[in-house]
Amino acid sequence: SQTIHQWPATLVQPVGSPLSLECTVEGTSNPNLYWYRQAAGRGLQLLFYSVGIGQISSEVPQNLSASRPQDRQFILSSKKLLLSDSGFYLCAWRRSWGYTFGSGTRLTVV
Amino acid sequence: AQSVTQLGSHVSVSEGALVLLRCNYSSSVPPYLFWYVQYPNQGLQLLLKYTTGATLVKGINGFEAEFKKSETSFHLTKPSAHMSDAAEYFCAVSVEYKLSFGAGTTVTVRA
Repeated sequence: SQTIHQWPATLVQPVGSPLSLECTVEGTSNPNLYWYRQAAGRGLQLLFYSVGIGQISSEVPQNLSASRPQDRQFILSSKKLLLSDSGFYLCAWRRSWGYTFGSGTRLTVV
Repeated sequence: AQSVTQLGSHVSVSEGALVLLRCNYSSSVPPYLFWYVQYPNQGLQLLLKYTTGATLVKGINGFEAEFKKSETSFHLTKPSAHMSDAAEYFCAVSVEYKLSFGAGTTVTVRA
């Protein structure tokens, strides 16, 4: 079956620590993958998208980076977290009929 | 470039009343349009979408939306609100590889 997995569900990290969020899809090949962030009281902001292995497009300058090491794996990273990186991070997969979202990661930077 | 504007960040309705959430878009090419719902601390669930064809689109949970090209609108409606409709709703437009969201509308339902 075709599914999207995202983990962890929640994460509390100190300022200055590194970050790695992972997203994987199953049951497809060469998917278009996306990372969105939802800050408190705000809409969803597109951070990165990828149309293939090693292909990353960044939408906004920020403290984050993304990588696509394998066809069905999309990773969101940071070397040093800032307080402003707190938020709800969603991975998405573009399918023929629309977009499917992962269950999200609630990141709190303290 | 495409963009989405949702009018009203909060909407409060009585149970059984009409739900109307407004969405206007801008796009240089024919867009695909979506409405998503988000319950607290959860991901986004697709309510309905418009790609081509019939301009009145029916979705899950009794929601529907009408694509009006002349008004560049894609408003979401539900004839009778239920308590379970309390959530945040996002309108989105997809052009080429990108899905862009509106700021969202939080719906509260009064008993």
